[in-house]
Amino acid sequence: EPEVTQTPSHQVTQMGQEVILRCVPISNHLYFYWYRQILGQKVEFLVSFYNNEISEKSEIFDDQFSVERPDGSNFTLKIRSTKLEDSAMYFCASSDDHQPQHFGDGTRLSIL
Amino acid sequence: AQSVTQLGSHVSVSEGALVLLRCNYSSSVPPYLFWYVQYPNQGLQLLLKYTSAATLVKGINGFEAEFKKSETSFHLTKPSAHMSDAAEYFCAVATTGTASKLTFGTGTRLQVTL
Repeated sequence: EPEVTQTPSHQVTQMGQEVILRCVPISNHLYFYWYRQILGQKVEFLVSFYNNEISEKSEIFDDQFSVERPDGSNFTLKIRSTKLEDSAMYFCASSDDHQPQHFGDGTRLSIL
Repeated sequence: AQSVTQLGSHVSVSEGALVLLRCNYSSSVPPYLFWYVQYPNQGLQLLLKYTSAATLVKGINGFEAEFKKSETSFHLTKPSAHMSDAAEYFCAVATTGTASKLTFGTGTRLQVTL
């Protein structure tokens, strides 16, 4: 069964540094998402992306965050200047019009 | 705004016993509802989905859920728990289709004992 793959599985970064989280969605999917899960809390929506532009974003997704689909296969989340509170598990997901979202295994981001 | 409430952050059942995980939703439009399972150090795996077809939905691993509009509920059940069912279970709601953003509940950790 096709999978959403995320790299790296664990990223450790100094506060204030930029970080890029990478995702390869399922190949025929058109909708892409990022969610995050702070330790012990629920999964929260960050942003959805369709047709090369953001279709919806949450309050969490401020100017420090950006997403990009640099080529036909990758989907990235960039955090420009990381804060301690950005430490979380970040999940990428993809879907098409008629199927629910498929999630990757996540990237654990630790900000020191 | 849509929301989901999961009653019980921890549920413990004996192996072979009925599993019942509760989910109530709030939505101003007919919802799309999902149950996802998360095993330790893994991502979210779809168990089942409700998208306005049959109100009783069967999913993987013997789980099923019933959509009850009058009770705004979408509880997850399994007749007989197995040790391998121990995981965290999340109920989620979407309002404009399967491709819209998901709003998750806080999750229920299921423990299965011998």
